[in-house]
Formats: sequence, C-alpha cells, structure tokens
Amino acid sequence: GQNIDQPTEMTATEGAIVQINCTYQTSGFNGLFWYQQHAGEAPTFLSYNVLDGLEEKGRFSSFLSRSKGYSYLLLKELQMKDSASYLCAVRDLSGAGSYQLTFGKGTKLSVIP
Amino acid sequence: DGGITQSPKYLFRKEGQNVTLSCEQNLNHDAMYWYRQDPGQGLRLIYYSQIVNDFQKGDIAEGYSVSREKKESFPLTVTSAQKNPTAFYLCASSESGTQETQYFGPGTRLLVL
Repeated sequence: GQNIDQPTEMTATEGAIVQINCTYQTSGFNGLFWYQQHAGEAPTFLSYNVLDGLEEKGRFSSFLSRSKGYSYLLLKELQMKDSASYLCAVRDLSGAGSYQLTFGKGTKLSVIP
Repeated sequence: DGGITQSPKYLFRKEGQNVTLSCEQNLNHDAMYWYRQDPGQGLRLIYYSQIVNDFQKGDIAEGYSVSREKKESFPLTVTSAQKNPTAFYLCASSESGTQETQYFGPGTRLLVL
C-alpha cells in the first residue's frame, strides 16, 4: 500500500512565503503531483515532478527527492486567493498494469492579512 | 470551450434508491476516472476507464457501477448497496492513458435524505 503524509493545516501572512511538505512511501513510484482545491470546488493541477529537483512555475515551485520520499510545494508572494487546500498525490503502477494516483488528505492553507 | 462537466451539482438520494451521476468531457481524452472525497480524507478512486467499453475497479468500487459506451461519457451509478453514499464525487480525465496528468470536473455533492 501507500502512505502519504502532509500537514493538516497551515497559516501564513499575505506577501510571505510558505512551504507545504509531503512525505510518501510507495513502490513503483512514477511521479508526484500537486493540486490546489478551493472549498467546494474541483482540484486544479499545479505541478508535476518525476525527477529529483525543483520545478518553478511563476509564484509556485515544487521540489522532489525520490531517495527521501519527500516533496514540497513552495508558494511565494502569498495572496489571499491562495487560501485553499493543497493536495499531494503520488502516481505508481498498480497491480492491474495501469498507473494510479493516491492522494494525501490535503493541507488547508489560510492566508491572513 | 473544452472541459469536463458534471451534473447535477447537488443530488439527493432516498434510502434504497439508485442514482446516476453524469460526467462528460469534450477534450478527446481516452481515460476517465471517478473519485470520492469525504471531509478530512484524501480522494479515493472508485472506478477508472482507459478506453471505451473497458473499465477497472478502484480502491472502493463496492456499491458503485459504471459504463463507458462513448469516449466522452463515463456515468457513475450509486446503488442502494452503497451504505454511506454522502460525499463529494469528482470525475477526472487524462489524455492518452493513466500515465498522463488528470484534470477534474466541478464535482457533484450527493446527500442522502
């Protein structure tokens, strides 16, 4: 099975930087995704890492270390609209020969003025 | 505009009743998925389909059924055998198979009366 851990809640100040961590244990690792989900809405894709290192996309960056089973999502210049849940998801090869995503429980980020 | 649509946004089910949730995509994606989201829980995979007329059970398929008669449509039926159906149901699709990034529809919230 898989185990994905991320903090339940975080609070940060508008304009600041916040780092959301995700640790995982899985076999057959084939990539890690970060999604943003506002309350009552669908998750939207933010980033994808399959190789070690940092991927930067505007104010958002995502880092992966496969040997440590660790990823983080870095949000810079926080805005109020960044208040949302951030979902870490790991893709691996299932027993049926297809790839499946397993999601963490999500980190609820509150941005305060 | 291309995208994934789900209907209805809210659905009420009486005890012992089957209900069907609609998911349509015009992205020409091959693979489609159904997830369930409960408060404080990660998304859990119910069923997925990699190609028309084929689908596979996910982690929590009991009490659910699906069909994939057309590429653009992947309806989910919540049967009376599903004893705890109240949840937020999310449909997703990916371009050419389960190894591609998944994109989500807006979701259907199912409530039991």
